[in-house]
Amino acid sequence: EVQLVESGGGLVQPGGSLRLSCAASGFTFNTYRMTWVRQAPGKGLEWVANINQDGSDRDYVDSLKGRFTISRDNAKNSLYLQMNSLRAEDTAVYFCARVMRDAEFDPWGQGTLVTVSS
Amino acid sequence: SYELTQPLSVSVALGQTARVTCGGKNIGGKNVHWYHQRAGQAPVLVIYRDNNRPSGIPERFSGSNSGNTATLTISSAQAGDEADYYCQVWDSSTWVFGGGTKVTVL
Repeated sequence: EVQLVESGGGLVQPGGSLRLSCAASGFTFNTYRMTWVRQAPGKGLEWVANINQDGSDRDYVDSLKGRFTISRDNAKNSLYLQMNSLRAEDTAVYFCARVMRDAEFDPWGQGTLVTVSS
Repeated sequence: SYELTQPLSVSVALGQTARVTCGGKNIGGKNVHWYHQRAGQAPVLVIYRDNNRPSGIPERFSGSNSGNTATLTISSAQAGDEADYYCQVWDSSTWVFGGGTKVTVL
């Protein structure tokens, strides 16, 4: 069974940092692009970042460039999101997802909640 | 940047047909994907590349895409179809989601 499990969320103060992880299983991880999507409370989905199969190519939503960094460790079947200089508006559930051939996301993890507050 | 427009809400009687639209400039030239998200759960892919259903998704779900509008159709709507629905496209190395449509089954 294909499975994605996020971890690393929690409460962090404004200006702080957090590193999210996404553990993948049930498929050949190093043959798929991977992505992060977030959802603020009561709001819609916002694509955050994408990374290609070997980690050599990364894309970010313009509003987050420079603060967030996506990475992966294919030996550990894991995806990461390093988040720095966090702001209240970064409060959201963060989902990881596998990117399929036509650029659709399937499946998604269950999400991890990040709360930025003093 | 590319924008997708969805109605905030759609209501449908049990057993009837619901249609959720997704508007975007020349969206007919792009691959459109649809997700549903039940309250408190992760999104689930229900249609990919305009009109294709992943395994496990009922035939009641179908899609179309032409011109400036893509449409998700839910036939014989069931109570379990009540959820938020999002369209998505890939454009210029970024992914864009519509704002989401809440489908209510009456």
